[in-house]
Order: sequence, then C-alpha cells, then structure tokens
Amino acid sequence: AQSVTQPDIHITVSEGASLELRCNYSYGATPYLFWYVQSPGQGLQLLLKYFSGDTLVQGIKGFEAEFKRSQSSFNLRKPSVHWSDAAEYFCANQAGTALIFGKGTTLSVSS
Amino acid sequence: EPEVTQTPSHQVTQMGQEVILRCVPISNHLYFYWYRQILGQKVEFLVSFYNNEISEKSEIFDDQFSVERPDGSNFTLKIRSTKLEDSAMYFCASSESTPPLHFGNGTRLTVT
Repeated sequence: AQSVTQPDIHITVSEGASLELRCNYSYGATPYLFWYVQSPGQGLQLLLKYFSGDTLVQGIKGFEAEFKRSQSSFNLRKPSVHWSDAAEYFCANQAGTALIFGKGTTLSVSS
Repeated sequence: EPEVTQTPSHQVTQMGQEVILRCVPISNHLYFYWYRQILGQKVEFLVSFYNNEISEKSEIFDDQFSVERPDGSNFTLKIRSTKLEDSAMYFCASSESTPPLHFGNGTRLTVT
C-alpha cells in the first residue's frame, strides 16, 4: 500500500531563517505529490503540487518543493520563514481518487 | 475565490445517535470527498464520489457511513449510529477532476 512519511513531527525555526520539511513517499511510477498547510481551526490549503515535468515546483506563499525520484522524496522549502507560516504541514500522494497523507509536521516560528 | 463550505462547524451528539454532516462543494467541481482527522493523527481518506456514486472508499467507510448528493449543491455524510471513536474533524473536499482537492474548514464532531 502506498504511504507517505514525514519524519519530523515538530520543527522550530527562527523568523527569517530557511526551512525544509521532509517528505518521503513509498510508491508510484509517476507519483502525484502535494503539500497542504493547515492553520489552527482551518481547513487544508494547497501549497503546491507535482504531477510531472520540472522537478522543482513553485507554490503559494513563497514555498517550493523538489521532487527527487532517486530518494523518493518531495521536500518542501522556503528561503525565509515568516511568523505567519507557523502551522501544520501535510505531504500527500495520490492513490486512485484518494490522497494519502503523511502524519504532518508542526512548524513553530520563534522571534 | 470559490470555496468549499461545511456546516455545522462543531456538532456534539450522543453515542448511538445519527448525524449528518453537510457540505457545499465548489459549484463546477465534479468529484467530492470526505476525509477524517482524529485529534493528533493524520488526515485519512473516507470516500470519493463522482457521477452520483461512490468511486472509492477506504476500510474506515463501513456500513455505518453513507454519502449522498441530495440536490445540485449539497454533499452529505451520514453516520448512522455514532461511536465514541467517531469523534474527529471531518473534512469535505471537491475537485474539478482528480486531485488537487479543495478542502472545507471542517466539522468537528464530538460524540459523548
């Protein structure tokens, strides 16, 4: 069965510092991969998606992610974190019509 | 920007009672979904719905659950006889075709 692993449960970064959130997927000849963000009390907002083509994808809010087939990874990055980026981040892989989510990484931003 | 709306935002029910969670998907979307997030756990797929029938369902989506699109705008999730372990945040989502999905803000279901 397909699975998505987010190894880091909680990460704290300083405001202005760079960020990388890790995501590994288990299977997919051509995986369809997504990053979503969830702020407290809110739904899931799509940050970016990868279907094919350029392995570096740009998303909203200054986020980007790089697909690396050799590492089965799709890590999320941001060069300079803002306090408003504090939230929970979910990586997901498409399986049929469903999305398989990782357990999420909680991002805290310190001043 | 069009969005998926869910009502109510919070529902409290007693064990054994039936609940209906309501969703209004984005109007031109054709695929509809329900997901569940138990507190502190990951978001789990329940069911996808297309062309007035279930496309796919997970092992969580047993006979206790049902979905319906009663009219041209609403999409509902019914839980027939709620259990304590059904307490969770339930997210509705929709998409034009297959993913990416657009999610609502969720309904927090508390079963007492």
